[in-house]
Amino acid sequence: ETGVTQSPTHLIKTRGQQVTLRCSSQSGHNTVSWYQQALGQGPQFIFQYYREEENGRGNFPPRFSGLQFPNYSSELNVNALELDDSALYLCASSLRELPGLNEQFFGPGTRLTVL
Amino acid sequence: AQTVTQSQPEMSVQEAETVTLSCTYDTSENNYYLFWYKQPPSRQMILVIRQEAYKQQNATENRFSVNFQKAAKSFSLKISDSQLGDTAMYFCAFMIEPTDKLIFGTGTRLQVFP
Repeated sequence: ETGVTQSPTHLIKTRGQQVTLRCSSQSGHNTVSWYQQALGQGPQFIFQYYREEENGRGNFPPRFSGLQFPNYSSELNVNALELDDSALYLCASSLRELPGLNEQFFGPGTRLTVL
Repeated sequence: AQTVTQSQPEMSVQEAETVTLSCTYDTSENNYYLFWYKQPPSRQMILVIRQEAYKQQNATENRFSVNFQKAAKSFSLKISDSQLGDTAMYFCAFMIEPTDKLIFGTGTRLQVFP
């Protein structure tokens, strides 16, 4: 059983560009959540996908979008990058059985820097 | 609004000693779950301990235990026999049923000294 992996590890972009971050969930997990962790802050919930459909969204604008694929991989896309988007982006996978009882397994994160 | 407050930005403890990290939260919901996560310098977030709000008994996991005071909305983490490997950021978080959305505090940086 492999853990949650994310790619790339680091990424540098400029304002206005678009970026795609990738996550490979733990095998068999049907749910993936994405979080943004700004420097010195706790992670903030962006959105969650359950069986390839969005299943809850935090206070993030529509230029943050995602996809989940049947092979347990997922993507976070951010359009029109802003300086404030610089952060560590974490994905977490879980097997959704009962709410709250599903341990979320986190990946190591992608560090995005927007210049 | 649902919030988590960790009032101790940094803590330090000597190896083998005991340390307690504080956490308070605010919610009007009745059904929720509370968590402590550890984020070592390597960045991978790891679940330390979990508490169901409907359970009165405090959760324990080896050297880690919590003091859950539901009326006070307090959820502190006690680490006994601290080890150098406990050095990390510790985040308190909660989750409202039936969502799987975690709401995190700002974290406490714990340094364990030899």
